Amino acid sequence: NAGVTQTPKFQVLKTGQSMTLQCAQDMNHEYMSWYRQDPGMGLRLIHYSVGAGITDQGEVPNGYNVSRSTTEDFPLRLLSAAPSQTSVYFCASSYSGSTNEKLFFGSGTQLSVL
Amino acid sequence: DAKTTQPNSMESNEEEPVHLPCNHSTISGTDYIHWYRQLPSQGPEYVIHGLTSNVNNRMASLAIAEDRKSSTLILHRATLRDAAVYYCILRVPGSARQLTFGSGTQLTVLP
Repeated sequence: NAGVTQTPKFQVLKTGQSMTLQCAQDMNHEYMSWYRQDPGMGLRLIHYSVGAGITDQGEVPNGYNVSRSTTEDFPLRLLSAAPSQTSVYFCASSYSGSTNEKLFFGSGTQLSVL
Repeated sequence: DAKTTQPNSMESNEEEPVHLPCNHSTISGTDYIHWYRQLPSQGPEYVIHGLTSNVNNRMASLAIAEDRKSSTLILHRATLRDAAVYYCILRVPGSARQLTFGSGTQLTVLP
C-alpha cells in the first residue's frame, strides 16, 4: 500500500516556466489537498477537493490551478512560476474530509524558482 | 479564525515523559483537536485527535481541558526518534474540509 505519492521530489524552474506537481493516492480517498510550507513556518492550504470534479480554494490559491478528473489523482499546476512560489509542497488525503478523520501526507516536492 | 498557540521549542530527556501544550481559546463546539508531527525532510504524520474526552493510542495520549480551550499531547517515554515539530491543529471555522497549521513546537530529545 503506497499511500500518498508525490512526484517529482525536487524541481528547479526559471521564472515564467510552467509545471505540474503530481499527487496520487491508492486508498480510495475522496478528499485531497495541497499545502505549501515555507522555511520555518507551518503548512498553508492552497487548494482542496472533496471528490472527482469538485475543487475549492484554500488560504493561498493565487498562482495555482487544480483539477480532479479521477479519485486517485490531484495535480497542482503552476502556470507561470514566480520566485515567491519557492517552497516545499505537500499533498494530503483523507477518506471524506470529515474533521474526525486523520490526514495522510506525501513526502513532499521541493520547488525552487529562480 | 480558530487559532492555536504553542511554544516554539521544548526539550526533553530520552525515556522521560513529554507534555506538549496547546492553547485554542477560540475553539468552537464541534472542532476536533488534531496533532501531527513532522520529522526532518518528511511530510507531516498523524499522531492523535479528539473532541472532548481524553484519547490514547499507541503513539501518545491527548488530554483535553474541560472547557476545551487547551490541550496537551503526552509522549509517555520520549525517544530520539520523537524529535520533530509537533503541530496542534483545529478545523477552520466555516469549512469542514480545512485544517490550519501554525508554526508548531520543535521538540528536542536529549540522550
